Amino acid sequence: AQSVTQLDSHVSVSEGTPVLLRCNYSSSYSPSLFWYVQHPNKGLQLLLKYTSAATLVKGINGFEAEFKKSETSFHLTKPSAHMSDAAEYFCVVFSGNTGKLIFGQGTTLQVKP
Amino acid sequence: ETGVTQTPRHLVMGMTNKKSLKCEQHLGHNAMYWYKQSAKKPLELMFVYSLEERVENNSVPSRFSPECPNSSHLFLHLHTLQPEDSALYLCASSQVVGGGGLYTQYFGPGTRLTVL
Repeated sequence: AQSVTQLDSHVSVSEGTPVLLRCNYSSSYSPSLFWYVQHPNKGLQLLLKYTSAATLVKGINGFEAEFKKSETSFHLTKPSAHMSDAAEYFCVVFSGNTGKLIFGQGTTLQVKP
Repeated sequence: ETGVTQTPRHLVMGMTNKKSLKCEQHLGHNAMYWYKQSAKKPLELMFVYSLEERVENNSVPSRFSPECPNSSHLFLHLHTLQPEDSALYLCASSQVVGGGGLYTQYFGPGTRLTVL
């Protein structure tokens, strides 16, 4: 069965510093992985997705994620945080068995001035 | 992002009321979903419609009743809800290709439901 674990429930960074949001996955075969962002009182917006093409995936708003099979990780990064990046971030794996998206618990990103 | 719209954005209802949530997608997709997002919990998939046919309901209580009249519209009819049903209800859509493959789901802004 597929699953994802977001290793931090809360991350706090200063504006202009790098962002790292960690996600580990479990899958019996090559997974499809996503990162979604949810701003307060908004729906989920797709940041990026990995579907077995390039291991380094670039998304919107300067975010990127690297698929590392050996580490079963799909961490989300951004070189320089902006105040508008403050939001909830979800790592998601697609379950081929059930056809469903499996969501992580979410990581709240706080950006301090 | 206006690909998936939801109305109303906020809803307060008593336990004896009947109300409906509406979702509309403008992306030409053939699958639509209802999710429940409660505080401190992962998103819970409630219902899936693929090609207007319900394929999943995940043991949701019968006080939630979905309706998908066509590939662009999805409703969630609510009646005799409980306070614990208060949550953000999210609609999503995707294009499901042959063989049940993925695809990327696009979400609406959600309806914030409060049950008194």
